[in-house]
Amino acid sequence: KAGVTQTPRYLIKTRGQQVTLSCSPISGHRSVSWYQQTPGQGLQFLFEYFSETQRNKGNFPGRFSGRQFSNSRSEMNVSTLELGDSALYLCASARSLAPSGETQYFGPGTRLLVL
Amino acid sequence: GDSVTQMEGPVTLSEEAFLTINCTYTATGYPSLFWYVQYPGEGLQLLLKATKADDKGSNKGFEATYRKETTSFHLEKGSVQVSDSAVYFCALTPNRDDKIIFGKGTRLHILP
Repeated sequence: KAGVTQTPRYLIKTRGQQVTLSCSPISGHRSVSWYQQTPGQGLQFLFEYFSETQRNKGNFPGRFSGRQFSNSRSEMNVSTLELGDSALYLCASARSLAPSGETQYFGPGTRLLVL
Repeated sequence: GDSVTQMEGPVTLSEEAFLTINCTYTATGYPSLFWYVQYPGEGLQLLLKATKADDKGSNKGFEATYRKETTSFHLEKGSVQVSDSAVYFCALTPNRDDKIIFGKGTRLHILP
């Protein structure tokens, strides 16, 4: 079956703009998580959605937000972009919010460059 | 808080060498432990996992054993190949929720 897909794959924006990234999970998966990957900070958890509700949130400012639709697809929005938001944004899906150990499957990521 | 510490790279080895990438963790309770691999230009792929103490995860010749007494989950492979060149991430999920906590990653270069 098809894996996690993310669009767009690459994006260039300027400071102050906003951006929306999209993630389509594996069919049947209801949990979607977002991560930011940078050389300096590594992989950092942004938030997780399950059944259209945010279930977990990492330590990011309110400029980072997300949502999940009834078909489990998710979008992440970053407003008022800053240079430091340049990163690879990864989306991961899982079947459910099962107890610890549920496997997450990652998409290829969206690489965002803020100029 | 919960955290993962793994050896910093890059690690450079010759083909067919033995590989060990160290990973230790700090967590309350009984976390699940994972190794993910990221090939150039791609997202992360789950390599192996272990959900309780003394479990051994294995895949593609890689192994890691969940050692609660030493809070470690070291990744090993007996004979590496050039195609194993990638970044390897150790990670855990606390037993109270599913938020994954990643280590900083270890870049592995295998020379032919």
